[in-house]
Amino acid sequence: GENVEQHPSTLSVQEGDSAVIKCTYSDSASNYFPWYKQELGKGPQLIIDIRSNVGEKKDQRIAVTLNKTAKHFSLHITETQPEDSAVYFCAASLTNSGYALNFGKGTSLLVTP
Amino acid sequence: ETGVTQTPRHLVMGMTNKKSLKCEQHLGHNAMYWYKQSAKKPLELMFVYSLEERVENNSVPSRFSPECPNSSHLFLHLHTLQPEDSALYLCASSQGDRGSYGYTFGSGTRLTVV
Repeated sequence: GENVEQHPSTLSVQEGDSAVIKCTYSDSASNYFPWYKQELGKGPQLIIDIRSNVGEKKDQRIAVTLNKTAKHFSLHITETQPEDSAVYFCAASLTNSGYALNFGKGTSLLVTP
Repeated sequence: ETGVTQTPRHLVMGMTNKKSLKCEQHLGHNAMYWYKQSAKKPLELMFVYSLEERVENNSVPSRFSPECPNSSHLFLHLHTLQPEDSALYLCASSQGDRGSYGYTFGSGTRLTVV
């Protein structure tokens, strides 16, 4: 099945700096790649997603890039703020499932003032 | 509130108990999911329901039994659990299939088996 690797597992940045989280996937047929943010005591929330026919997508301070050839995708957060502190998960669609997503292990991001 | 409501938020149960987790969505989605979230592990897919029909059962032990009576409700029935089953159980829903639409997650049920 699909294997999604996510790095780093923890990331600490100063407020205003950029943060980058990287994921790789194994199934070349995967075509949908969402990113989720999970705050303490809450379920994961979708923050941005990208489909395999697009190389980059941006939404204000967050952006995602996709390299289909290398089978990796990245989340970029610019001008980080303390409220960006959370656990971030990448995911890839499971093509043999038709319905489900396979998730990375998560990155705990800490933004210090 | 995300539109997916899970109850209870916290549950402590003994290994011989029977309990049920409930998930409810009124987003008009046609697929619902159960995931298990343990510390330092990826979110583990347990069950998928599409249009009230179970389409995925990811080798989950029989002590976990899902039920989807309609497209808005999903249950996870628990019996004779083990301490290693302690985790956060997340319900999610989505519109469409092929994994191509983002999930909406509930806040989860924190389960502790003693």
